[in-house]
Parts: sequence; C-alpha cells; structure tokens
Amino acid sequence: AQRVTQPEKLLSVFKGAPVELKCNYSYSGSPELFWYVQYSRQRLQLLLRHISRESIKGFTADLNKGETSFHLKKPFAQEEDSAMYYCALSGEFNDYKLSFGAGTTVTVRA
Amino acid sequence: EPEVTQTPSHQVTQMGQEVILRCVPISNHLYFYWYRQILGQKVEFLVSFYNNEISEKSEIFDDQFSVERPDGSNFTLKIRSTKLEDSAMYFCASRKDRGTDTQYFGPGTRLTVL
Repeated sequence: AQRVTQPEKLLSVFKGAPVELKCNYSYSGSPELFWYVQYSRQRLQLLLRHISRESIKGFTADLNKGETSFHLKKPFAQEEDSAMYYCALSGEFNDYKLSFGAGTTVTVRA
Repeated sequence: EPEVTQTPSHQVTQMGQEVILRCVPISNHLYFYWYRQILGQKVEFLVSFYNNEISEKSEIFDDQFSVERPDGSNFTLKIRSTKLEDSAMYFCASRKDRGTDTQYFGPGTRLTVL
C-alpha cells in the first residue's frame, strides 16, 4: 500500500524566514514523489518532482530513501508562497495514480 | 498553454439524482484520472482510464460510479444515484503518455448533494 503523511496541517512563517514542509511516505518499490501546490482559487499544479532534481520558485526537495522522506524547503519565504501544498506519490506499475498527503496550508506573513 | 477544463464549476443536486461531471483533458494526452476531495480531507484517487477502459479504480469507485470517453475530447464521471457523502470537489487530471509521470489537473467541480 502507498501512503503519504504530512504531519503539519498549518504552517505560518514570516517573510524572509526559511520554510520546511515535511513529507514522509511508505511504498513497497521505487516511488515517484511530487509536490503539488494550490494557490487560492486556483487548480492543483505541479511544483516539483524528485526525479528532475530541480528548483522551482526557490523550492527544493530531496528524496531521502533511508528516512522515506521528501521534505520541501525554501530558504526565504515570500508572501506569494502562501498556498496549500500537497506531497504526492505514484508508482510506475499502477498507472501513476497519485496518493496525496493531507496537505499543509502555508501562510507567509509580512 | 493547454489546460484541462471541467464543467460545471459547481453542481447542486438532490440525493438520489444522477449527475454527470465533464472534463476535457489536454488534447494529446492518453491517460485520464478522476480524484475527489471531501471538504477538510485529502485528495483521493477514484479511477484511471486508458485506451477506452478503466485501468484502475479505488474502493470508493463502486457501482454507482462510471466513467466514459464518449467522443475524442470529453471524459465524464457519472454518479448514478447521489448520496449526501458524495458531496466533494471532483478533479479531473490527464497525463500525456507512458514515458511521462506528470498529471495536469482541471480546476475541479464542486458537487453539493442536498
């Protein structure tokens, strides 16, 4: 079974402060990990994928297979980063269906 | 940039009625999905669809649910006899081909069952 855990429901930081969103997963196999973001009144959109190892909007996430984690980090949060963030997992052998975490609402205060 | 579209944005229906939620995936995509999100809960997978047939479905996707690709562009989710607990946001997503893993989501349809 595949499972994604985001322990923090709400996260509030000041502008310019670092932000880290935690994500842990369980999957028997080699998972693909993603972070999706949903800004207010907008659709879910892909923020980044572990396989591409890129930084988007200053965010990075490293897959740690030993700790089964895929935490999302940004060194200096901006007000426009306020949104709902979902960690998600998929596996190649199940048509890439996504299993989502519960989501973390991030509020960046001025 | 092409996007997945969904109609209607909000559907209100009476318990026991049938509803059809519509999605237009990105035109050259081959894999299609429905997810739902009950208020305050996580986004849950319902069903995946490829080559005109269901490839996987979750426990939620019981006999009350069906999906169809009636023509070359639309992808529909039908709930035959809606229940109060079907009230949720329903998201459609599409993916291009076997070699890519990125799913693109529609804006969602909010279904309210009274």
